[in-house]
Amino acid sequence: DARVTQTPRHKVTEMGQEVTMRCQPILGHNTVFWYRQTMMQGLELLAYFRNRAPLDDSGMPKDRFSAEMPDATLATLKIQPSEPRDSAVYFCASGPGGTNSNQPQHFGDGTRLSIL
Amino acid sequence: SQQGEEDPQALSIQEGENATMNCSYKTSINNLQWYRQNSGRGLVHLILIRSNEREKHSGRLRVTLDTSKKSSSLLITASRAADTASYFCAPGGANTGRRALTFGSGTRLQVQP
Repeated sequence: DARVTQTPRHKVTEMGQEVTMRCQPILGHNTVFWYRQTMMQGLELLAYFRNRAPLDDSGMPKDRFSAEMPDATLATLKIQPSEPRDSAVYFCASGPGGTNSNQPQHFGDGTRLSIL
Repeated sequence: SQQGEEDPQALSIQEGENATMNCSYKTSINNLQWYRQNSGRGLVHLILIRSNEREKHSGRLRVTLDTSKKSSSLLITASRAADTASYFCAPGGANTGRRALTFGSGTRLQVQP
């Protein structure tokens, strides 16, 4: 089965360090989403792309977070500098073409990030 | 916001029993989706019901949609321990444009063997 692949699965680093999380969407999917999940806030939408162009990144703290799609097979989410409050599980999801909220999303298994 | 709200927050049942979870939303929708999340994993799409449908089945899953009440329910029949997971609903807006799905806090289902 085709699946969304996220790397790394776990990341522990110290406050102030740069963190890069990667996502390989399902081949042929042209919409990519980044979510963050914490116990307190639940699942929050950070940003999403369609055909590699950012459509909405209003959920993302702009001062330290950046999301890009260098090509159709790779999406990245960077945090610089990282802070303890960024500790969470970060999920990438991809979806086929069409109107975004009318299509099922396929999730990766997440990157569990711990900032010390 | 098109976020759904799941109810109850937590549900514990015995294997073999049925589990019913509810979802309420506020805006007009084109469809509503249900997802499952097992511990330590990403969400998995279960079923999509369109706004002109009232009921849909998939295996042991039965989803209903009442657009007049802006609510949906997910029924899992003859539950198994493997059904233990969190379940989320995601309403898809009528005026979707470029909007993405958003998720509520989910229902945590515990199926006791």
